[in-house]
Amino acid sequence: EVQLVESGGGLVQPGGSLRLSCEASGFTFSNYWMSWVRQTPGKGLEWVANIKQDGSERYYVDSVRGRFTISRDNAKDSLYLQMNSLRAEDTAVFYCARDNSAFEFGGQGTLVTVSS
Amino acid sequence: ETVLTQSPATLSLSPGERATLSCRASQSVSTYLAWYQQKPGQAPRLLIYDASNRATGIPARFSGSGSGTDFSLTISSLEPEDFAVYYCQQRIKWPPTFGQGTKLEIK
Repeated sequence: EVQLVESGGGLVQPGGSLRLSCEASGFTFSNYWMSWVRQTPGKGLEWVANIKQDGSERYYVDSVRGRFTISRDNAKDSLYLQMNSLRAEDTAVFYCARDNSAFEFGGQGTLVTVSS
Repeated sequence: ETVLTQSPATLSLSPGERATLSCRASQSVSTYLAWYQQKPGQAPRLLIYDASNRATGIPARFSGSGSGTDFSLTISSLEPEDFAVYYCQQRIKWPPTFGQGTKLEIK
């Protein structure tokens, strides 16, 4: 069973930074692409970024490219999202997901609120 | 980006009835389409991938069909736990995109 535990969310001012973490268990983490997906009441579900098994390829949605960085540590079965220059429109629940034939979610997500 | 339009926005049915949810893509996504179920306070749960393949542990009452631009998710006989929001998602056109969701509510 895919188990993913997201953490690191919180309240941050516009222009600030946060680092999200996702700890994986129940599968061989290093064998899979991984993604971050966010959800807002207004825009719904939005894919944010993904990363290849060895970290050699990373892709981002246009709205976060240059501000967010996805990374992973296969020794720790962990996925990360460094978010800089945060904007109000980044306010969302962030989920990590195993990126297989589709997204496999396994956690409760972590809430990021960008507000002054 | 590829826009996925789901219909109806809300579907009101009773337990035991058949539910059919639709998802239309703005361009062909072949069969690279998935369906998810989401309940309040929970992450989305994968139901169907590649248009018609049930994910592990998903009951047989859930089925998916379609290809190209028109897809459907059918729940053959609604159980009380099936009332939730359902999303479709495509992965063949970058970036991956989701539909806006169909809320399946108890009539």
